[in-house]
Amino acid sequence: NAGVTQTPKFQVLKTGQSMTLQCAQDMNHNSMYWYRQDPGMGLRLIYYSASEGTTDKGEVPNGYNVSRLNKREFSLRLESAAPSQTSVYFCASSEATGGYGYTFGSGTRLTVV
Amino acid sequence: KNEVEQSPQNLTAQEGEFITINCSYSVGISALHWLQQHPGGGIVSLFMLSSGKKKHGRLIATINIQEKHSSLHITASHPRDSAVYICAVRSPGGGADGLTFGKGTHLIIQP
Repeated sequence: NAGVTQTPKFQVLKTGQSMTLQCAQDMNHNSMYWYRQDPGMGLRLIYYSASEGTTDKGEVPNGYNVSRLNKREFSLRLESAAPSQTSVYFCASSEATGGYGYTFGSGTRLTVV
Repeated sequence: KNEVEQSPQNLTAQEGEFITINCSYSVGISALHWLQQHPGGGIVSLFMLSSGKKKHGRLIATINIQEKHSSLHITASHPRDSAVYICAVRSPGGGADGLTFGKGTHLIIQP
């Protein structure tokens, strides 16, 4: 089915470990996003990519890096995980920035111990 | 920055009831989204609207630009409607992607 695929769905890391969350979309969307969702808070933008070859910081970028590998794929990397990065992470894509026709992935539940 | 408030935060209702979820915001917007987050965590976009009203099946979304307010209605509610409903607005000064998200309304429909 067409959509946004995120891997992994669940991950437990020890403090200081690194990992990469993968995201791929098959809708030929130009824009891709990474959000985190924490209890009692709205979704917060970590990084986004308005188009292939560009990436920009969102509201909460510290501790993260991203790569827009090609038009389909947008990965999020935690270089040295911290307990404050325990969260649910969502990748999303849209035809253009600003929320037009958003499609979300199913989320990655990350726990840092 | 736009402040987005949803009410109620939690809502439990019986199957068949008419449901209303509200979203208000503080700054003029160009578009408003309603999203549904399933118990398993996935998020689905339900509506994007900038004026008037939209309907899809048993779901109806309305927006009043002058009053800075939107409502999501569910008619003949069913337990499968149980989910978190999230309002997001697109406005100048929003996030880098232009969106500000509400905290969500947790809806439970009991059989």
